[in-house]
Amino acid sequence: RKEVEQDPGPFNVPEGATVAFNCTYSNSASQSFFWYRQDCRKEPKLLMSVYSSGNEDGRFTAQLNRASQYISLLIRDSKLSDSATYLCVVNLGTGGFKTIFGAGTRLFVKA
Amino acid sequence: GAGVSQSPSNKVTEKGKDVELRCDPISGHTALYWYRQSLGQGLEFLIYFQGNSAPDKSGLPSDRFSAERTGGSVSTLTIQRTQQEDSAVYLCASSLVVAGQETQYFGPGTRLLVL
Repeated sequence: RKEVEQDPGPFNVPEGATVAFNCTYSNSASQSFFWYRQDCRKEPKLLMSVYSSGNEDGRFTAQLNRASQYISLLIRDSKLSDSATYLCVVNLGTGGFKTIFGAGTRLFVKA
Repeated sequence: GAGVSQSPSNKVTEKGKDVELRCDPISGHTALYWYRQSLGQGLEFLIYFQGNSAPDKSGLPSDRFSAERTGGSVSTLTIQRTQQEDSAVYLCASSLVVAGQETQYFGPGTRLLVL
């Protein structure tokens, strides 16, 4: 089983749609969680951290379920510019290499 | 402020040649990572530096790959006797721990093509 698993997609949605991605992680000791966005032929960029109580940033909402060991990203009112690959990232804590990237979920938003 | 920079942005080389890729992390970031990403694939961890600790080299795919970090800042990834399967984007990231949370910031990558 991979340490961080994501549905690779692609998700094809029309503009204005709501879309959600899930990501599961295997290590219950994982401490911090993030969503990164990667555009085609670009480097990954931090989209948002994921906090235990859930957090929102504009049209984006991230949630964490420690009991079930998954995190989610919800995008409301999708824009064409949201088309990208979304990477789930899990960190086991500091003091050594413990950051694991998921393989990503591809999203295409169509006009 | 300045982000992570990498050079060269593109490198084309012939099979069997050695290449050096450079990464300048964000000033003050103590950790530095190298990843490799093949077309359409996820990130493949290569090596990790943290302060003055011994680097974690567990991701290096063969002994043709090596990396150094001088003075806790600039890092160089060296690939000896390049092979066609080494063709990929090599990404560097640096990180800072704030309030117990580590966030990585990526450079633009070096696109390596081995002919």
